[in-house]
Amino acid sequence: GDSVTQMEGPVTLSEEAFLTINCTYTATGYPSLFWYVQYPGEGLQLLLKATKADDKGSNKGFEATYRKETTSFHLEKGSVQVSDSAVYFCALETSGSRLTFGEGTQLTVNP
Amino acid sequence: SQTIHQWPATLVQPVGSPLSLECTVEGTSNPNLYWYRQAAGRGLQLLFYSVGIGQISSEVPQNLSASRPQDRQFILSSKKLLLSDSGFYLCAWSVGLAGHNEQFFGPGTRLTVL
Repeated sequence: GDSVTQMEGPVTLSEEAFLTINCTYTATGYPSLFWYVQYPGEGLQLLLKATKADDKGSNKGFEATYRKETTSFHLEKGSVQVSDSAVYFCALETSGSRLTFGEGTQLTVNP
Repeated sequence: SQTIHQWPATLVQPVGSPLSLECTVEGTSNPNLYWYRQAAGRGLQLLFYSVGIGQISSEVPQNLSASRPQDRQFILSSKKLLLSDSGFYLCAWSVGLAGHNEQFFGPGTRLTVL
C-alpha cells in the first residue's frame, strides 16, 4: 500500500541555518504530494503542495520538488527562523480522497 | 471563505464515560470529512472519513464511532472511553476532487481520559 517515510526527528537548528527534512514515498501512479505544518497546540496547516512530477511547491520560504525518479519530496528552507519551530508532516494523496501522512518531524530553531 | 470549527477545545473525562466531539464546516457544500487522532509524540491516525451524509468509513476497529447527520457536521462518539482514547483529535475537510485533495484541519480537541 501507499506509505510515506520522513526523516526522524527531532531536528534542532540555529536561526538562519539551512533546513532539509527528507521525505520519500511509495505509491501506485503519481499522487499529489503535500507538506503540512503543525504549530504547538494547533491543527495542521497546508504549507505547500505539488501535483505532478518536477513540480516545485513553495510557500513562506519553504520549497519542495516532486521527484518521481527518487520518489522523494524533500522540504528545504535556506534560512530558518525561530517562528518555524513546529512539527512538519509529509503526505501523499491516496485513493478515495484520503491522505497518507508520515510520522512527522519536530523542528526546533534556537535564537 | 471556508472555516472549520471543533468543540470542545479541551476535555477531561473519566474512564467509562461517553464522548461526543463535534465538527462543523462553513462555506462549502458536500465536503469530504475526516476524523484523525494524534497521540502524544506520534503521527496522525485516520479514524473515520465520510463522503456524504450518512456515509461513514472506519479505518481502524475501536470503541469509537462517527456520524454525519448533516452535510457539514461530523460527530465522533464513544459509549465508554478507555485510557487509550486520550489524544488530540483533529477534524478535517476536503473538496474531494482528484489531484486537489489537500485537507483543511480544524483547531483540534485535546482529550484526556483519567
